[in-house]
Amino acid sequence: AQSVAQPEDQVNVAEGNPLTVKCTYSVSGNPYLFWYVQYPNRGLQFLLKYITGDNLVKGSYGFEAEFNKSQTSFHLKKPSALVSDSALYFCAVTRGSTLGRLYFGRGTQLTVWP
Amino acid sequence: EAQVTQNPRYLITVTGKKLTVTCSQNMNHEYMSWYRQDPGLGLRQIYYSMNVEVTDKGDVPEGYKVSRKEKRNFPLILESPSPNQTSLYFCASSSGTGWPETQYFGPGTRLLVL
Repeated sequence: AQSVAQPEDQVNVAEGNPLTVKCTYSVSGNPYLFWYVQYPNRGLQFLLKYITGDNLVKGSYGFEAEFNKSQTSFHLKKPSALVSDSALYFCAVTRGSTLGRLYFGRGTQLTVWP
Repeated sequence: EAQVTQNPRYLITVTGKKLTVTCSQNMNHEYMSWYRQDPGLGLRQIYYSMNVEVTDKGDVPEGYKVSRKEKRNFPLILESPSPNQTSLYFCASSSGTGWPETQYFGPGTRLLVL
């Protein structure tokens, strides 16, 4: 079975500091990984994805994530956090052979303090 | 503007009273899906549709029905709602040109079942 773990319910960071939101996955076969962000009272927005190729993926708003196959991780990072980055972040995984199925983590609430 | 719309955005109902949450997309997407979001559980997939007249169960289909009679619409039907279906519901769509794909999410429907 496919699953995603986001081990931290909450991450707090000061503005200007680097941030990391963690994600580990469990999937048989090759994983395809996504990060989505949810701002208050809004739907989810796509940030970035890893399908194949370079393990370091760059996405929207200065975010990036590194696919690490040996550690089965896909942590989201940003070198310098902004207060406006405060939101709920979701990691998701699927496989090519499970058409249409997408598995989300529980979400991590990121708060960036001014 | 390319978008996924959901109606209603907020709904309070009573146990057993049938309801329908509509979802419509204007991007000519083939794939559509429904999720529910609950605190501590993240997003869980209810049903999805790879194309017109094709629907499949996700992780939590019990108590829900869907139909896909036309490409743009994918309504979620609760025949006999119960309090455990109180949740935040999201509809999503993607192009259907090749899995895995970036999902475009609607704004959400907050449902309270008394």
